[in-house]
Amino acid sequence: KAGVTQTPRYLIKTRGQQVTLSCSPISGHRSVSWYQQTPGQGLQFLFEYFSETQRNKGNFPGRFSGRQFSNSRSEMNVSTLELGDSALYLCASSLGGQGRDTEAFFGQGTRLTVV
Amino acid sequence: QKEVEQNSGPLSVPEGAIASLNCTYSDRGSQSFFWYRQYSGKSPELIMFIYSNGDKEDGRFTAQLNKASQYVSLLIRDSQPSDSATYLCAVNVPIGNSGYSTLTFGKGTMLLVSP
Repeated sequence: KAGVTQTPRYLIKTRGQQVTLSCSPISGHRSVSWYQQTPGQGLQFLFEYFSETQRNKGNFPGRFSGRQFSNSRSEMNVSTLELGDSALYLCASSLGGQGRDTEAFFGQGTRLTVV
Repeated sequence: QKEVEQNSGPLSVPEGAIASLNCTYSDRGSQSFFWYRQYSGKSPELIMFIYSNGDKEDGRFTAQLNKASQYVSLLIRDSQPSDSATYLCAVNVPIGNSGYSTLTFGKGTMLLVSP
């Protein structure tokens, strides 16, 4: 069974540009969550999508947005990039129900560098 | 605010000792608890989950849960230098009366095992 796939693995962008990251969850998983991780900050929750609907949202500015497609694949977009957006972006998939169904499996992440 | 609290560390133990990692959570409705290990520059990987009060053992790892005290811990016996990593506690938090829950992470505890 294939794991969670994130593309691309590495990105270098210039301030002011926008970027789109992609996440393909484990087959059968309907929930995809996105996290930002910077050194010393832990996992900062961005948002969760379930069956194409945003179900939960963290405390990030509107420059950060996402969507989920009918096949559960998800994309995350960051517009007007700032230097502080440089981070490891992680996506996690789960069945999305209760209890053990919240068990999350992570992709390898996309390392974004803004210069 | 639904929170998961961990001591950031670092927790330093000598090789062969027992490492004890602790986590507290605020939502009494939480039913599932997970421990993830994250090596530097890598994505988190699930190492233990526990749903019932008491202890759960898996090899050198033991997870302990006390719902009355809202406390979950991870013990690592015979610690090895390869166990040096950040350990993330994750707790499922119900989303209102939706019937769904979301996974909330602590900021992690860094463990350093010295040879």
